[in-house]
Amino acid sequence: NAGVTQTPKFQVLKTGQSMTLQCAQDMNHEYMSWYRQDPGMGLRLIHYSVGAGITDQGEVPNGYNVSRSTTEDFPLRLLSAAPSQTSVYFCASSSGLAGETQYFGPGTRLLVL
Amino acid sequence: RKEVEQDPGPFNVPEGATVAFNCTYSNSASQSFFWYRQDCRKEPKLLMSVYSSGNEDGRFTAQLNRASQYISLLIRDSKLSDSATYLCLGWKLSFGAGTTVTVRA
Repeated sequence: NAGVTQTPKFQVLKTGQSMTLQCAQDMNHEYMSWYRQDPGMGLRLIHYSVGAGITDQGEVPNGYNVSRSTTEDFPLRLLSAAPSQTSVYFCASSSGLAGETQYFGPGTRLLVL
Repeated sequence: RKEVEQDPGPFNVPEGATVAFNCTYSNSASQSFFWYRQDCRKEPKLLMSVYSSGNEDGRFTAQLNRASQYISLLIRDSKLSDSATYLCLGWKLSFGAGTTVTVRA
């Protein structure tokens, strides 16, 4: 099993550009989530999904869109990148929202100029 | 107020020392807690779950204090390899900001 995979590993964008961060898992987990990590801020939840077709907002959803058309994939879209979105993005999956281990992908490092 | 808050440290300890730090949570209905370890901005990895009765795994001990609404992590006989950031995970995918531990020779 590959676990949770994320692409790309690194990305540089110009302000206003759009892009999609890809996340896939092969553990048949129902729950998937996106976090961003900034220095001194820990992991902040952006969006999460409790199953195909169902998504919900986390702590910092503004500027990001998600969809969950399959159990395996949970892409994160930046519609119009801003320098404030420079961060490290982690995708995670689990078999539940509480009481279950979160498995993380290796992260995407995004720089918005 | 954030759901989960941690002392950011850093805790700088010599090899062989014991280090302990806490994570407070605000939702008294929270049932499950976890400690994760993160190295050099790599992905966090599960260190251990925190049970009501406490949990011990080798040199690591996790405790839950429901009355005061905090969880703790204690590392005994610290090794250089224990240097990392430790994150607590609480209710509804809420992570603390992390506690940095540096073990020096």
